[in-house]
Amino acid sequence: EVQLVESGGGLVKPGGSLRLSCAASGFTFSSYSMIWVRQAPGKGLEWVSSISSSVGYIYYADSVKGRFTISRDNAKSSLYLQMNSLRPEDTAVYYCARARTTVTGHWYFDLWGRGTLVTVSS
Amino acid sequence: SYVLTQPPSVSVAPGQTARITCGGNNIGSKTVHWYQQKPGQAPVLVVYDDSDRPSGIPERFSGSNSANTATLTISRVEAGDEADYYCQVWASSSDHPVVFGGGTKLTVL
Repeated sequence: EVQLVESGGGLVKPGGSLRLSCAASGFTFSSYSMIWVRQAPGKGLEWVSSISSSVGYIYYADSVKGRFTISRDNAKSSLYLQMNSLRPEDTAVYYCARARTTVTGHWYFDLWGRGTLVTVSS
Repeated sequence: SYVLTQPPSVSVAPGQTARITCGGNNIGSKTVHWYQQKPGQAPVLVVYDDSDRPSGIPERFSGSNSANTATLTISRVEAGDEADYYCQVWASSSDHPVVFGGGTKLTVL
């Protein structure tokens, strides 16, 4: 079955760290770029970070730049998000998603995981 | 950075047509993608490349994009279409390439 499964969420104190994982199965993970998207309670979707298939391109939202690090292990078909210096405003469900490209090279996202909840609170 | 503007809510009676807009500066020059998200679930791609549908998405879902507005149209709306809908573009000239609209809550009356 083609799927993405996130893990690693939980309750953490402000200033703490968490590492999220996204396990891919049913497709050739190394061929796809990937992203992390988060959704705060009752809010919309917010792009967090992107990584290309070859790790040649990595981007971060301003809200997480310098604190979060995206990475991937193509041999393990896994995507990661290392989150440091966590803040209460980082509280959200974090989704990983698979990127597809249009003929003009623009990304869209055709496969999403169910998400993992990160709660930052003292 | 590039901004996408959606109405917070749209209401429609069953069987009618719902139109959800996504505004952006010269958005017609970009390709727009749409996602449906039901409560407690992950987003699902319903339209990509302005007007294409992934397999398994009903023909009732269609999209258009011109000038400064992209539109997701849902024909013959059903109760099961009630959800949040998000538009998305790729701002290729930016260090923040993935942009989502704020989302629109579709209510089926």
